Amino acid sequence: DAGITQSPRHKVTETGTPVTLRCHQTENHRYMYWYRQDPGHGLRLIHYSYGVKDTDKGEVSDGYSVSRSKTEDFLLTLESATSSQTSVYFCAISELWTDTQYFGPGTRLTVL
Amino acid sequence: QQPVQSPQAVILREGEDAVINCSSSKALYSVHWYRQKHGEAPVFLMILLKGGEQKGHEKISASFNEKKQQSSLYLTASQLSYSGTYFCGVVNNNAGNMLTFGGGTRLMVKP
Repeated sequence: DAGITQSPRHKVTETGTPVTLRCHQTENHRYMYWYRQDPGHGLRLIHYSYGVKDTDKGEVSDGYSVSRSKTEDFLLTLESATSSQTSVYFCAISELWTDTQYFGPGTRLTVL
Repeated sequence: QQPVQSPQAVILREGEDAVINCSSSKALYSVHWYRQKHGEAPVFLMILLKGGEQKGHEKISASFNEKKQQSSLYLTASQLSYSGTYFCGVVNNNAGNMLTFGGGTRLMVKP
């Protein structure tokens, strides 16, 4: 299995508070991705990174920001959490663009 | 644009076969198949590139029909362990586009 960890694994927060999710990899893969998974929608790409300090928006990026200061870490921040951001968040990595993606264990976020 | 998967759900008895389809409105460059068990991360099954390749994984194989812009996943002699939700992900037109996932097909295999 690819070495990907996510923290925290579960989080409950209140509307309006900032939240940061962390993805850590030990594979030295160039590409990292953040997805959210909601019933009926499959996996939707929020942001991705193609290198240190190189990031771009995905399909559902509004309300989210990301940062990548080291190859191994990719952070997802919700500046002011809303109830619509209640979801399961998955981080993924790949060696090449559109290559096989390997997923982390996920973070279940509940915004009350 | 999100690919369309069908059926949305299927129930099988152990040993039966199933086919899951994934259709795109745009030309396909590649198709990726994943399986996700409840409460777990999606796990990669296989990737298919345009050219009609058929690839296999255990008793699971897939086809890629470039003209019809679709891929099919074939599960033969299903086992209890095959239960889960299957997702296809597509890259449209060329390798520069991003991977987009379908809504998933829930498969349940009963003894």
